[in-house]
Amino acid sequence: DAGVTQSPTHLIKTRGQQVTLRCSPKSGHDTVSWYQQALGQGPQFIFQYYEEEERQRGNFPDRFSGHQFPNYSSELNVNALLLGDSALYLCASTNRGATEAFFGQGTRLTVV
Amino acid sequence: AQSVTQPDIHITVSEGASLELRCNYSYGATPYLFWYVQSPGQGLQLLLKYFSGDTLVQGIKGFEAEFKRSQSSFNLRKPSVHWSDAAEYFCAVGAFDSGTYKYIFGTGTRLKVLA
Repeated sequence: DAGVTQSPTHLIKTRGQQVTLRCSPKSGHDTVSWYQQALGQGPQFIFQYYEEEERQRGNFPDRFSGHQFPNYSSELNVNALLLGDSALYLCASTNRGATEAFFGQGTRLTVV
Repeated sequence: AQSVTQPDIHITVSEGASLELRCNYSYGATPYLFWYVQSPGQGLQLLLKYFSGDTLVQGIKGFEAEFKRSQSSFNLRKPSVHWSDAAEYFCAVGAFDSGTYKYIFGTGTRLKVLA
């Protein structure tokens, strides 16, 4: 079991650009959540996808959007990147109604 | 509102000394509680979790935590710290919110271990 996999592991983007991060959930999981962890902070909930729909969103602007595919994998898109978007982005998967999520190793995004 | 507080931003202990990291939570229902460890540049590793039952839970790497409902606390302990325990530690509560289950994390405690 490969667990939760995220790609890429690192990337560097320029202010104003757009970025797409990818997540494959743990085998058998149908729900994917995304978290942002800024430097020196705890992870913050961005949004959750289930049945290819966004189910709940945290306090993040519309520049942050996502998608879930029929195979349950997910993408996180961030438009018009700001320096403050530099962070570790974590994907977590679970099954609907379950109480333990499994985290990927994250994608480190640096905006310059 | 749901929240997690880790009052200690930094803690320094000597190798071999005991350790306690504090965590307080605010959540109206029965909490699902977690402790994670994160080494620099790495993802989160689950140390232990509490869902129900025995309030003292054992985790990996010799860590344990005690759930105290009356104090809304879930403190992490280790009897003897090793230099390799130096890392950042995050307490989290798993919460259902309008049908969605998500984690709420504290701001973390950075542990430094002196040789």
